[in-house]
Amino acid sequence: KAGVTQTPRYLIKTRGQQVTLSCSPISGHRSVSWYQQTPGQGLQFLFEYFSETQRNKGNFPGRFSGRQFSNSRSEMNVSTLELGDSALYLCASSLGGTGDTEAFFGQGTRLTVV
Amino acid sequence: DAKTTQPTSMDCAEGRAANLPCNHSTISGNEYVYWYRQIHSQGPQYIIHGLKNNETNEMASLIITEDRKSSTLILPHATLRDTAVYYCIVRVAAIYSGYALNFGKGTSLLVTP
Repeated sequence: KAGVTQTPRYLIKTRGQQVTLSCSPISGHRSVSWYQQTPGQGLQFLFEYFSETQRNKGNFPGRFSGRQFSNSRSEMNVSTLELGDSALYLCASSLGGTGDTEAFFGQGTRLTVV
Repeated sequence: DAKTTQPTSMDCAEGRAANLPCNHSTISGNEYVYWYRQIHSQGPQYIIHGLKNNETNEMASLIITEDRKSSTLILPHATLRDTAVYYCIVRVAAIYSGYALNFGKGTSLLVTP
């Protein structure tokens, strides 16, 4: 079956702009979570959505937001981009209904803010 | 979720077993041990997870001590393709619990010819 698909794979934006990233989970998966990876901070959890509701949130400013649609596809948005937002953004999907399960990650979106 | 401690880096010769340790001394009774790995610039890949019993799948074995305060991931016959950063993660896995992984720094495993 198809894996987790993230689009676009690469993105260059200018400081102050906003950006929207997309994630299509594995069919049947209802949980989608987002992570930011930078060389300095490593992999950090942003937020998780389950059945169109945000279920968990990491320690990121309000400029970072997300949503999930009825088909479980998810988007994350970063407004007023800063240079420090340059990172690899990863999306993961899991079944979400039972606790003892694994998450499957996409290949990520590489965002560069100039 | 409980914190984990892993060595920063390890080496392993190709064809030998790679044993990656993880300390999770504050683990709670309802927390599972998960292992993921990340090959350079790719998304993390799930390897294995367990609660208290040892587990084995096609990729690896997970050995959890009886007191559950530490575990070891074993790659039985390491190949060059196993060179990656390995993350040991502890998370509560209750029904309908959220899925938020705390990756930490992980162990950088280098498999050499």
